[in-house]
Amino acid sequence: NAGVTQTPKFQVLKTGQSMTLQCAQDMNHNSMYWYRQDPGMGLRLIYYSASEGTTDKGEVPNGYNVSRLNKREFSLRLESAAPSQTSVYFCASRKNTGTTAFEQYFGPGTRLTVT
Amino acid sequence: AQSVTQLDSHVSVSEGTPVLLRCNYSSSYSPSLFWYVQHPNKGLQLLLKYTSAATLVKGINGFEAEFKKSETSFHLTKPSAHMSDAAEYFCVGVTGGTALIFGKGTTLSVSS
Repeated sequence: NAGVTQTPKFQVLKTGQSMTLQCAQDMNHNSMYWYRQDPGMGLRLIYYSASEGTTDKGEVPNGYNVSRLNKREFSLRLESAAPSQTSVYFCASRKNTGTTAFEQYFGPGTRLTVT
Repeated sequence: AQSVTQLDSHVSVSEGTPVLLRCNYSSSYSPSLFWYVQHPNKGLQLLLKYTSAATLVKGINGFEAEFKKSETSFHLTKPSAHMSDAAEYFCVGVTGGTALIFGKGTTLSVSS
């Protein structure tokens, strides 16, 4: 049981390049989330998927797109990277039901630098 | 909508002394509140959660938090700090029934 996995762990992009961050969970969770973490800002929600086949914008969606490929996988795409997207990106998943309904489980993060 | 405010960006303690990390919340309804911890270059780990049951919540590694509705607070405490407690701590609420809303974090430093 690996929990939430993210690839890659590190990435350096040039301005204007595109890339996709991958996330997968093996806990059969319904909801999945993408956050970015910047110094002094806490984590801010980019996009989320409440269930397979649905996606919704969070607090900071501009410059990003997402795909909920299936129940396990939720990817985040940067179409044209900008230096302002330099950040640490975390994927998380949530069960939705039972006494642990609000708990989210986080991946190890992807550290992205855009030059 | 719910919001959380962490009152200190940085707290420094000596090993063996008590830890207090402060968090206030605002919510028009009974909130769900969490504390998460992030060790350097690591992901986030759930320390404890409050979901309208007992107001004193015990978590992992000796941490606990007390929900005080009259003060709209959910402060995190530990009787005796350990060097391994040095990390960043986030007070977290729930918004819209789905996503988490994070405080800006408190960095805890522990000196020997």
